[in-house]
Amino acid sequence: DTAVSQTPKYLVTQMGNDKSIKCEQNLGHDTMYWYKQDSKKFLKIMFSYNNKELIINETVPNRFSPKSPDKAHLNLHINSLELGDSAVYFCASSGPGAGGYGYTFGSGTRLTVV
Amino acid sequence: GQQLNQSPQSMFIQEGEDVSMNCTSSSIFNTWLWYKQEPGEGPVLLIALYKAGELTSNGRLTAQFGITRKDSFLNISASIPSDVGIYFCAGQTGTYKYIFGTGTRLKVLA
Repeated sequence: DTAVSQTPKYLVTQMGNDKSIKCEQNLGHDTMYWYKQDSKKFLKIMFSYNNKELIINETVPNRFSPKSPDKAHLNLHINSLELGDSAVYFCASSGPGAGGYGYTFGSGTRLTVV
Repeated sequence: GQQLNQSPQSMFIQEGEDVSMNCTSSSIFNTWLWYKQEPGEGPVLLIALYKAGELTSNGRLTAQFGITRKDSFLNISASIPSDVGIYFCAGQTGTYKYIFGTGTRLKVLA
């Protein structure tokens, strides 16, 4: 199946831990994104990579560090997790047209920090 | 900062009814998208709009790009139970970048 795949689906961890979320797309898209969805379902962009180059870096704590080893993968590493980091994190990708045709989203990673 | 306001915030309707929702902004957009999110899943693109005044359909869904370019509308005709979910509008604010609306939560009663 062509898709955007994220792992893990659920992540429960203690405050202060470091964790990673992985994302892979097999759609042949050049651009990948991380979005955060809070408890009120509001979606906010965090980062974007185009062909492994960081192109969008919103105001996000520097405890969050994205890494793109190739254009099909975009991982998100979070250091020193805090309670407020609890949210659903979505990976997405887009094809040509600078995102003008919209994104394809993964199914999300629900992060719970306790 | 920029914000997209969607209304209504939530709707409870009977199966078979038509649904209308809208999205408004203080900024002009060149592209509007409508997404649907079901529980436990990521948003799925329903309709993309690229031109002021454009009216585009996808099955029972019809969306319009407002003439002022500051708003967009989504209609669902003859709703069915599987229409349940959160509907998001999104406006393109820059290269590769979208801002999402606050969402309209739709519940359909059989």
